[in-house]
Amino acid sequence: QSALTQPASVSGSPGQSITISCTGTSSDVGSHGLVSWYQQHPGKAPKLMIYEASKRPSGVSRRFSGSKSGNTASLTISGLQAEDEADYYCCSYAGTTTVLKWVFGGGTRLTVL
Amino acid sequence: DEQLLESGGGLVQPGGSLRLSCEASGFTFSRYAMTWVRQAPGKGLEWVSSTVDLGDRTFHANSVKGRFTISRDNSKSTLYLQMNSLRVEDTAVYYCAKEVSSSWSVWGQGTTVTVSS
Repeated sequence: QSALTQPASVSGSPGQSITISCTGTSSDVGSHGLVSWYQQHPGKAPKLMIYEASKRPSGVSRRFSGSKSGNTASLTISGLQAEDEADYYCCSYAGTTTVLKWVFGGGTRLTVL
Repeated sequence: DEQLLESGGGLVQPGGSLRLSCEASGFTFSRYAMTWVRQAPGKGLEWVSSTVDLGDRTFHANSVKGRFTISRDNSKSTLYLQMNSLRVEDTAVYYCAKEVSSSWSVWGQGTTVTVSS
């Protein structure tokens, strides 16, 4: 059982928007703004899409956005495209100032209809 | 272009050992914390181990604590994961990753570890 809870699957049609939620606790998502999101296509390494809950790395499409409220973080993909079909994982820092630790969500399979 | 290249995976019997390596290029390796993340077949991602830039502090998930040891050689721009007392449930693709702002901005292609008799 994963530390963070994500829906197992979401789907949407091209051009639509979808949101993937990621629920944790006050020890991880709720206490840190250090939530990141990763996209993973089959057989490939994960790719960083969002860091620090809402920041987008250079080169990542503006169609991807992130937010956080309380113990829940969210990833929104607008203007869905076929290439967005992939698995998405959230991750939160869950450590302290002296002990490093991270927890992942179980992953969400995005299907573009 | 920043790159990470893992090696050292393979088939090992339960109770055996393996050492994974991750060679970095395209960035100043000694300035960044580094991490190992694994993914069991058909499963999600799991944080395994991290080390700070100088390598003087290391951290491991409870599932591998006491069995795995992360280390680094900054003179060789290489990260290591020594895995002892391997279990069937350690079977996974192991990725090394570069940490920035408590997230991982660069990933290797992964190396497969299979623990089976």
